[in-house]
Amino acid sequence: QKEVEQNSGPLSVPEGAIASLNCTYSDRGSQSFFWYRQYSGKSPELIMFIYSNGDKEDGRFTAQLNKASQYVSLLIRDSQPSDSATYLCAVNVRSTGNKLVFGAGTILRVKS
Amino acid sequence: DAGITQSPRYKITETGRQVTLMCHQTWSHSYMFWYRQDLGHGLRLIYYSAAADITDKGEVPDGYVVSRSKTENFPLTLESATRSQTSVYFCASSPGHSADTQYFGPGTRLTVL
Repeated sequence: QKEVEQNSGPLSVPEGAIASLNCTYSDRGSQSFFWYRQYSGKSPELIMFIYSNGDKEDGRFTAQLNKASQYVSLLIRDSQPSDSATYLCAVNVRSTGNKLVFGAGTILRVKS
Repeated sequence: DAGITQSPRYKITETGRQVTLMCHQTWSHSYMFWYRQDLGHGLRLIYYSAAADITDKGEVPDGYVVSRSKTENFPLTLESATRSQTSVYFCASSPGHSADTQYFGPGTRLTVL
């Protein structure tokens, strides 16, 4: 089992819809959870981080964390074509010396 | 406000040659990281550094060497490049600890012929 898993996609949603991206992790002791966006040919860019169970909202983005079920989600409301990118989930993993481990990413395509 | 920069942005080299990728950050962040990104593998940690003169291996360190004599610089050297090291390399820095938010440089696309 990979330490951080994401569906590779592509996830296709129409413009204006809600995009839901999911990430599961294996280390029950993980405390730090991040979502990065990466446009093709560019570097990862931080969107959100979340440390506590529940929801965290920032503009059109909402991160959801459920430690009991070991998953973290990113919801994008009112999706725009400019949201089309690869979304990377990153989680700290104790067995790596508490460093971040990145998932392989989910490709999101927003169709206008 | 340069943030974190990498050079060169693109590099083509031949098998067996030594190559050094540079990373420079202006934030005085304690931690710095080197990743490679390949299709199907995502970001994999090569080496990281907690402070000047402190470095440690990541997931895929073989064939790479790092040093950190100054807080702001973290060069990555491929001692004898192989075709399997063709990849996109990202440098990142973090202000706090190894599990803290990381900020990425623009990347270096390396091709080994």
